Amino acid sequence: KQEVTQIPAALSVPEGENLVLNCSFTDSAIYNLQWFRQDPGKGLTSLLLIQSSQREQTSGRLNASLDKSSGRSTLYIAASQPGDSATYLCAGPAGGTSYGKLTFGQGTILTVHP
Amino acid sequence: NAGVTQTPKFQVLKTGQSMTLQCAQDMNHNSMYWYRQDPGMGLRLIYYSASEGTTDKGEVPNGYNVSRLNKREFSLRLESAAPSQTSVYFCASSAQGGPNYGYTFGSGTRLTVV
Repeated sequence: KQEVTQIPAALSVPEGENLVLNCSFTDSAIYNLQWFRQDPGKGLTSLLLIQSSQREQTSGRLNASLDKSSGRSTLYIAASQPGDSATYLCAGPAGGTSYGKLTFGQGTILTVHP
Repeated sequence: NAGVTQTPKFQVLKTGQSMTLQCAQDMNHNSMYWYRQDPGMGLRLIYYSASEGTTDKGEVPNGYNVSRLNKREFSLRLESAAPSQTSVYFCASSAQGGPNYGYTFGSGTRLTVV
């Protein structure tokens, strides 16, 4: 069974800082890993999807990496802004599946203060 | 805008009442999912439908039923609501397989059972 853990649970940083969010998973045969953003009272927005054959994906100020051997993924946010404040969730396919059912981490609540 | 549409957005039920949460997607995705999100528990899969005509139980299916009405629509039914079903419910869809599939989430239904 896939288990996903995110550290830290909450993070508060001043505007402009670069930061890293961590995600660990137990099933190293993971097919892919996704990072989502959730604003308060809203649904989830997909940020980045990393396939198992890839090591990282980039979108603007976001960079996500995947290291299957260590069971870890990181989301790097460069030059953070107050608008980045949200909950960030990582998710991977439930054990034994190549797609579809996702197991989510508990999320990291990010606050970027001016 | 293309995406996943959920109705209703808010609902209050009395214990024992029934209701159906509706979900529709217009992205021609094969797979659809229902999740619930609870504080401290994260997102947990209730039911999913890998393709039209199929449905399967997820992690927390008790007290729920689903119907994959057609490729676009996937409904979640609570036959006899209980306070433990107070939660935020999210519907999601994904393309099946392929290198670039990802999840698209609806904006959620906030359900309170009193």
